[in-house]
Amino acid sequence: DAKTTQPNSMESNEEEPVHLPCNHSTISGTDYIHWYRQLPSQGPEYVIHGLTSNVNNRMASLAIAEDRKSSTLILHRATLRDAAVYYCILRSAGGTSYGKLTFGQGTILTVHP
Amino acid sequence: DGGITQSPKYLFRKEGQNVTLSCEQNLNHDAMYWYRQDPGQGLRLIYYSQIVNDFQKGDIAEGYSVSREKKESFPLTVTSAQKNPTAFYLCASSKGISGISYEQYFGPGTRLTVT
Repeated sequence: DAKTTQPNSMESNEEEPVHLPCNHSTISGTDYIHWYRQLPSQGPEYVIHGLTSNVNNRMASLAIAEDRKSSTLILHRATLRDAAVYYCILRSAGGTSYGKLTFGQGTILTVHP
Repeated sequence: DGGITQSPKYLFRKEGQNVTLSCEQNLNHDAMYWYRQDPGQGLRLIYYSQIVNDFQKGDIAEGYSVSREKKESFPLTVTSAQKNPTAFYLCASSKGISGISYEQYFGPGTRLTVT
């Protein structure tokens, strides 16, 4: 599986935008970029995914670089409930893929009131 | 409400005992997964199942067993052969596995402590 690199931690203030970066320089053409987040002592929660174009949903936006070697998860207005570990994951949608999500250590996001 | 339930939330066992963790989903999903999470680490895949009566080993299957007799249920047994069973166990499901990129839905997890 292609690997991703994320900062260990980031901090933000409430009501401010947050940009969480992810590098994936070895991404292949069939890899989707997934983001999940995990609140303490809970199961991960799907946030967003994309392939080539930028994506928006009710939770966040995903900006994908033109060469697809990096992406950024954007939380437009952080709230205290957004404090979590954010995982950037590459998932292949082709070949013998079986839907495996390979979780790294993620980015711990702290939101200050 | 549709979702995934795992029970119990906390489980304590003595070393040498087998223990079975429950996972039920009412999302009508074909695929189900079991992950293990250790403190400060990401999730690691134990077993997955694409369809009833079929399952495959993940990255760390040794010391674990599963069954998939019903679409809704995917119980995980932690056997006495698992050397470090204390961990946070997470069950997940998705519409399918291969093809387009399905998101996975996770249960709340079971924290197993073996002493």
